[in-house]
Amino acid sequence: DTAVSQTPKYLVTQMGNDKSIKCEQNLGHDTMYWYKQDSKKFLKIMFSYNNKELIINETVPNRFSPKSPDKAHLNLHINSLELGDSAVYFCASSQDRRLADPRGEQYFGPGTRLTVT
Amino acid sequence: GESVGLHLPTLSVQEGDNSIINCAYSNSASDYFIWYKQESGKGPQFIIDIRSNMDKRQGQRVTVLLNKTVKHLSLQIAATQPGDSAVYFCAEPPRIKAAGNKLTFGGGTRVLVKP
Repeated sequence: DTAVSQTPKYLVTQMGNDKSIKCEQNLGHDTMYWYKQDSKKFLKIMFSYNNKELIINETVPNRFSPKSPDKAHLNLHINSLELGDSAVYFCASSQDRRLADPRGEQYFGPGTRLTVT
Repeated sequence: GESVGLHLPTLSVQEGDNSIINCAYSNSASDYFIWYKQESGKGPQFIIDIRSNMDKRQGQRVTVLLNKTVKHLSLQIAATQPGDSAVYFCAEPPRIKAAGNKLTFGGGTRVLVKP
């Protein structure tokens, strides 16, 4: 009954490889997000989707490509992995703030620790 | 531009004492703040929020204070327990409501509870 789930939890791979991280939420939310957390715990948004449509795309290399097959899923594919991609990636979801006046609370998944060697 | 930041990167506190975590922001028009708690190996979790029309908001063992004059907010944890050991973030959503909710996070403060 996990609200936001991610797979895998750990991912160790070599430079140049392509990898994907999957995320699913069962909260019925319309909006999903990907965040990157660096080694100093700094959290920064990468992408956001609303009803399968990309609405936030921060300055992220083209090697990162999110895909949302439906509003409950948001996957992140990374091509040609680099050492600097090593981080913890968090998926999150929230209600659409335009629909009401929700608190803006986002529900985060457990994170995927990506290590590029 | 908007930014949300923290004063103390690490706070060591004796079990049973009160903890105070600080956060500064730069945009005087900011009107809503959220505190998140991130335990080791887990994602951030909502603790409490506060709107700018309030100076104080209380939850269970937590109180958030907002000082708009100096653009500062703090999270107070009463009778800190071992389970409070975590990294705490203040965060701010954009003022304009949009489908997305681009949270801007502060740098985080690690709270270590000593037995």
